[in-house]
Amino acid sequence: GQQLNQSPQSMFIQEGEDVSMNCTSSSIFNTWLWYKQEPGEGPVLLIALYKAGELTSNGRLTAQFGITRKDSFLNISASIPSDVGIYFCAGRGQGNLIFGKGTKLSVKP
Amino acid sequence: GAVVSQHPSWVICKSGTSVKIECRSLDFQATTMFWYRQFPKQSLMLMATSNEGSKATYEQGVEKDKFLINHASLTLSTLTVTSAHPEDSSFYICSARERFYNEQFFGPGTRLTVL
Repeated sequence: GQQLNQSPQSMFIQEGEDVSMNCTSSSIFNTWLWYKQEPGEGPVLLIALYKAGELTSNGRLTAQFGITRKDSFLNISASIPSDVGIYFCAGRGQGNLIFGKGTKLSVKP
Repeated sequence: GAVVSQHPSWVICKSGTSVKIECRSLDFQATTMFWYRQFPKQSLMLMATSNEGSKATYEQGVEKDKFLINHASLTLSTLTVTSAHPEDSSFYICSARERFYNEQFFGPGTRLTVL
């Protein structure tokens, strides 16, 4: 079946630093979504990508849909303490959304 | 963005009892709803998918008689955990998607603890 590899698993950064995480799949996706989940809450949609090569920003967040349609990355610029949480990528091919295992982000003030 | 609510946000029950969790799309019509289960420090595991007015499609390994899903309207889906046991304790999250849109929105989750 389809698999999603998300990396890194965790990141410990200093406030103000930029962050980059990515996901790669074993097959082509038509949609990439990036979510953030905080403890005890459901995932919140950050960015949605629908076309290969698409680059979309949401404030300090930028995500891109890879040209091969098998990967996507999320960048966070100038991180702040409230960026702490788990970031999930999710991709959809012909079926349901498939989720990565998440990147846990910790930001030190 | 679209809003999905879940109720209750947490529930504690005795082993053997049944628990119902409601999921509502507040400002859009959810033609498809999804139920996920999440264990601590793990990703979301899809349990089942339901389209309004149809029977739910369960993922492999998920007992349909144990986890009853009803999607009777375009704004409401329910998950009933029947004869709950301690191993059913988990974080259950619903998600909803509007027809023709690829975005999927999540509820805030329900923490189920079975004693």
